[in-house]
Amino acid sequence: DAKTTQPTSMDCAEGRAANLPCNHSTISGNEYVYWYRQIHSQGPQYIIHGLKNNETNEMASLIITEDRKSSTLILPHATLRDTAVYYCIVRGYSGNTPLVFGKGTRLSVIA
Amino acid sequence: DGGITQSPKYLFRKEGQNVTLSCEQNLNHDAMYWYRQDPGQGLRLIYYSQIVNDFQKGDIAEGYSVSREKKESFPLTVTSAQKNPTAFYLCASSIDPSRVNTEAFFGQGTRLTVV
Repeated sequence: DAKTTQPTSMDCAEGRAANLPCNHSTISGNEYVYWYRQIHSQGPQYIIHGLKNNETNEMASLIITEDRKSSTLILPHATLRDTAVYYCIVRGYSGNTPLVFGKGTRLSVIA
Repeated sequence: DGGITQSPKYLFRKEGQNVTLSCEQNLNHDAMYWYRQDPGQGLRLIYYSQIVNDFQKGDIAEGYSVSREKKESFPLTVTSAQKNPTAFYLCASSIDPSRVNTEAFFGQGTRLTVV
């Protein structure tokens, strides 16, 4: 079973920041938080991952709380092309442990 | 270009027939995975392989079989024993097992319809 809880759906106005929350209260000390997104009828796309520090790349920022029980994915300036299902995944320490997907959050970016 | 190729994109089969889905990667990744996705649902793991000539069952392996004879190829056979084979099938790969913080790359999927 997925070890994360996410809202089923969210809306965001185009050009505004999209903040997608994720709860992972049972996360272990050596488990990473990964974010993927899936645009309709395509394969999932990696966005970002982190252990305990906040992370930023060209796509998004990941903010992890100090107790690591929750995190937020931030898309700083959402566009219509960011409309997708976003998956928050906690991944075990063993290399190449398979990703376990929940149902994710369906983000709709509105013009 | 490097990546994962799944073929075909759409596949139709008659009930009772076995069908094999292709997954090829030229990323030199050690691990490969097969997932199934039903409408409105997340991905569920069917099989995965961390090294050539070895593979493990995932959560929903019944009615499926795989082989890993080459590093770059991980074909999935949907057998007649799979009760509800119509679904979207996704293949993924990731780099060597000793690196914990590795991302997985996904193919574009094969949509299988059994009639």
